[in-house]
Amino acid sequence: GAGVSQSPRYKVAKRGQDVALRCDPISGHVSLFWYQQALGQGPEFLTYFQNEAQLDKSGLPSDRFFAERPEGSVSTLKIQRTQQEDSAVYLCASSSYDRGKIGTEAFFGQGTRLTVV
Amino acid sequence: AQKVTQAQTEISVVEKEDVTLDCVYETRDTTYYLFWYKQPPSGELVFLIRRNSFDEQNEISGRYSWNFQKSTSSFNFTITASQVVDSAVYFCALSEWGATNKLIFGTGTLLAVQP
Repeated sequence: GAGVSQSPRYKVAKRGQDVALRCDPISGHVSLFWYQQALGQGPEFLTYFQNEAQLDKSGLPSDRFFAERPEGSVSTLKIQRTQQEDSAVYLCASSSYDRGKIGTEAFFGQGTRLTVV
Repeated sequence: AQKVTQAQTEISVVEKEDVTLDCVYETRDTTYYLFWYKQPPSGELVFLIRRNSFDEQNEISGRYSWNFQKSTSSFNFTITASQVVDSAVYFCALSEWGATNKLIFGTGTLLAVQP
């Protein structure tokens, strides 16, 4: 597709349930980011992939959060044993940035709104 | 520490008014990029502009203009002759030199343009 696609757009999970959020980046984009956006706040960085390598996971809030990008394209963010504080919009972004270049524009998807009840 | 501050939580203007959204940043790096993104109700973040730390020249794009001042660590955004379609949340963001190129966002300013 032309842009970053995320699915599902909305997810309601019962506390303790595991969820998986999918991101289809723009074709050919090397870099992929996950951000978490709480209500009324700016997005906060979770993790970064360069192709299939997860180079930075410093923003993942706990070991219940896990992300993968096994073939360097589609990525999945998994949250185990969801808690109410996990309720947020999860945004995926991709860019053509590669090592040695900075400031490349990131293209964002529409996000997945996760509500934990 | 890296930080972006958008002190204006909400701004309401009447159509055709000019409006300025403030952004103040903190960083210890000398090489960095600043961004503005627009987030309409649909939720997708739309890229508006990118400036690097070595280029303080102000920029104008149609009704949009940006004022970058390193002396005050500010990167303000002005919309001239605002329109209802400009209603959205606007985020300022900072990216430092490094392998990740991740963005540090402010808390956003909700702009409501009334007809």
